[in-house]
Amino acid sequence: AQTVTQSQPEMSVQEAETVTLSCTYDTSESDYYLFWYKQPPSRQMILVIRQEAYKQQNATENRFSVNFQKAAKSFSLKISDSQLGDAAMYFCAYRSAMTGTASKLTFGTGTRLQVTL
Amino acid sequence: DGGITQSPKYLFRKEGQNVTLSCEQNLNHDAMYWYRQDPGQGLRLIYYSQIVNDFQKGDIAEGYSVSREKKESFPLTVTSAQKNPTAFYLCASSIFSRETQYFGPGTRLLVL
Repeated sequence: AQTVTQSQPEMSVQEAETVTLSCTYDTSESDYYLFWYKQPPSRQMILVIRQEAYKQQNATENRFSVNFQKAAKSFSLKISDSQLGDAAMYFCAYRSAMTGTASKLTFGTGTRLQVTL
Repeated sequence: DGGITQSPKYLFRKEGQNVTLSCEQNLNHDAMYWYRQDPGQGLRLIYYSQIVNDFQKGDIAEGYSVSREKKESFPLTVTSAQKNPTAFYLCASSIFSRETQYFGPGTRLLVL
């Protein structure tokens, strides 16, 4: 079974600075997808970024980028130029890409990000 | 506006009562999912459906039931067999079962 670990329960960053959230995962599969979701105080889960394991290039979405290290099974999220609206819980998630497998997402326990002035 | 709606926002359940959480999507997505979120934990999959009239159990299906009679609707019933139902419930959908999942705003279930 796959597992996802987020070892930082809380992180803090000053506005306009850069912060990196860590995520590691365990799987025996070679083809899969990784995601970062953001959950603001409204509690709705919002997709931040997605990475396909077969792609070597790290995904980027505006101020958000990932450092995907497949061999190390590491998938960190970097937020540049942090804004007050970035304050939220951030969840790392894994999904198998293998045909016939259940299409569930496996989530980590989350990292709460605080953004200070 | 395209999206996923969940109702009610808050739901109270009495002992021994079944309650149903609504999830509707107008995104024309084939696959729909129900997740449960407890404090300090990530989301866990309860049930999912890849097509109409078909659904599969997730990791924590005991005490829950679902139906998928229409493509746009995937209601979740929390039965009296679920002994610890207090949680935040999130519905999600995706174009196909292996595509990115998008989430609704959630329903908070509390036990009286």
